Amino acid sequence: EVQLVDSGGGLVQPGGSLRLSCAASGFTFSSYSINWVRQAPGKGLEWVSYISGSGSSIYFADSVKGRFTISSDYAKNSLYLQMNSLRAEDTAVYYCAREAYGDYWIDYWGQGTLVTVSS
Amino acid sequence: EIVLTQSPGTLSLSPGERATLSCRASQSVSSSYLAWYQQKPGQAPRLLIFGASSRATGIPDRFSGSGSGTDFTLTISRLEPEDFAVYYCQQYGSSPRFTFGPGTKVDFK
Repeated sequence: EVQLVDSGGGLVQPGGSLRLSCAASGFTFSSYSINWVRQAPGKGLEWVSYISGSGSSIYFADSVKGRFTISSDYAKNSLYLQMNSLRAEDTAVYYCAREAYGDYWIDYWGQGTLVTVSS
Repeated sequence: EIVLTQSPGTLSLSPGERATLSCRASQSVSSSYLAWYQQKPGQAPRLLIFGASSRATGIPDRFSGSGSGTDFTLTISRLEPEDFAVYYCQQYGSSPRFTFGPGTKVDFK
């Protein structure tokens, strides 16, 4: 069974940092691209970042470029989103989300982890 | 960047009724790149339709997708109580990689 388990959210002050984790199981981690998608309270979905299965391709939304980094640990079948210089507008539930193999949609989502940026 | 617009914002219907949700793109989108998701409160989104018209695994056949170019539609033929949720369309692009519409909420009349 495919599972994505998100963790690492919490309350952080503006300008602070936080690292989110996504633990994957039930599939060959290195064969799939993974994204982070966020959802501000009461709002819609916003794509944040992408990493290919090999880790060779990485992309970010303009809203987080230069502040967030993404990485994979293949030994642990885990994905990380390092978030620096956090702003109030980064407050959201963050989901890791697997892209369908070779296709153009998301087939599995983590349960989400809430990040709150507030003083 | 392609912008997706969904209408209506809210659809108030009763169980057993037909729901028709619209997703319009600011530029033509390949049907292969268009998907629909369902999200219930406190839950992650769930894939319903991919490639504009193909149902994901385990999705009941009361859900159907259609459309091409800039106009796409999600239809729920007969609403079940568990179908009351928010529905998002999504398109795949180069940058940003995924764009989502603002969502249509289907709630009880």
